Amino acid sequence: DTGVSQDPRHKITKRGQNVTFRCDPISEHNRLYWYRQTLGQGPEFLTYFQNEAQLEKSRLLSDRFSAERPKGSFSTLEIQRTEQGDSAMYLCASSPNREPYLSTNEKLFFGSGTQLSVL
Amino acid sequence: AQTVTQSQPEMSVQEAETVTLSCTYDTSENNYYLFWYKQPPSRQMILVIRQEAYKQQNATENRFSVNFQKAAKSFSLKISDSQLGDTAMYFCAFRVPLTGTASKLTFGTGTRLQVML
Repeated sequence: DTGVSQDPRHKITKRGQNVTFRCDPISEHNRLYWYRQTLGQGPEFLTYFQNEAQLEKSRLLSDRFSAERPKGSFSTLEIQRTEQGDSAMYLCASSPNREPYLSTNEKLFFGSGTQLSVL
Repeated sequence: AQTVTQSQPEMSVQEAETVTLSCTYDTSENNYYLFWYKQPPSRQMILVIRQEAYKQQNATENRFSVNFQKAAKSFSLKISDSQLGDTAMYFCAFRVPLTGTASKLTFGTGTRLQVML
């Protein structure tokens, strides 16, 4: 068990380009989260998956953002037509919770994030 | 809406000394969880300690302990015998364990702790 893995670690792109990030959760973790952390702030919730189902999305997730978890294992987060305001660190976290909407005793395991810089 | 406030952007402490990081929060909920996370230069968020609001006893994890004052909505972290490896950003976080929602943590803005020789 190597923990939550995120790729790439850093991404620099030009405004208007599309970018895709990947997250590999801990094996057999059913739940996967995406958070965004901007400079000087704490992470903010974006979305989460229970297995392959995306169950909740934050209002922060505009139409340019799309997340998938096709087989309930790894997840991708795509940002289309990037803007400078998208510059942030994108964190992924996973947990072994089996119940779709229960979070009573949940413990999250975070990855090291993908740092996105939009020029 | 819940808010978490960390009023100390930066703190420093000498190795082996004790330091306390402050956190206040605002909520109308009665049952919730509070957390302290550590984010070292490796950027991985690591859970340091967790407190359940219905438990009056303050949580402890080795050198880390909290002072949970529910009425005052205060949740401070005390690090004893500080070590160089404690140098990191520390985030206070809050979660309401409602059925029908995921583990959406609300984080504060963080306190950068520097442990010095």
